[in-house]
Amino acid sequence: ETGVTQSPTHLIKTRGQQVTLRCSSQSGHNTVSWYQQALGQGPQFIFQYYREEENGRGNFPPRFSGLQFPNYSSELNVNALELDDSALYLCASEGDRENEQFFGPGTRLTVL
Amino acid sequence: AQSVTQLDSQVPVFEEAPVELRCNYSSSVSVYLFWYVQYPNQGLQLLLKYLSGSTLVKGINGFEAEFNKSQTSFHLRKPSVHISDTAEYFCAVSDWSEATGNQFYFGTGTSLTVIP
Repeated sequence: ETGVTQSPTHLIKTRGQQVTLRCSSQSGHNTVSWYQQALGQGPQFIFQYYREEENGRGNFPPRFSGLQFPNYSSELNVNALELDDSALYLCASEGDRENEQFFGPGTRLTVL
Repeated sequence: AQSVTQLDSQVPVFEEAPVELRCNYSSSVSVYLFWYVQYPNQGLQLLLKYLSGSTLVKGINGFEAEFNKSQTSFHLRKPSVHISDTAEYFCAVSDWSEATGNQFYFGTGTSLTVIP
């Protein structure tokens, strides 16, 4: 158990819809990162937030956006869903002095 | 941008035999290195990390890895594997630049299968 939870566990959407995925970090962890993991692939870095500010972003289009809240929760929003967005979405939290990310179990998104 | 190459997509090995999972990355400029394990339908769990200092890093479950800056490699080893080590293993690199901020790069994974 990493103390990082994600909701929902599974989600089915249709092309063009919008989706919000949620993550609850470990208490005290000011950094949260989000990843997309397609089937059979390694995780791809989407972005990272520190104290509610984005401080790193991978090669994802602007329709992928995020928010981080003061209560150690965060959201990943994806607009205009495409079939290729089907994947496992992972969030990971990190304390200020640990240089170690703790991953949640992920949300499996299927886009039809 | 970094790239992370895991040279073997699948590694079968007999129980109690040694194993090495290979990882190479593209740039040696000030990076942090990690190995993660992922069991089916679960998130990632950190096995070990290299931040600085000794190039031989020991992790959980008897795993260790050696950082080789000249070869830009970070291979994972275990002297004697167990059935429970069957899983997907990911090598990862993190770096920072003023242009892009923090970045994280994962390899495509190595599927380790331990044969009884």
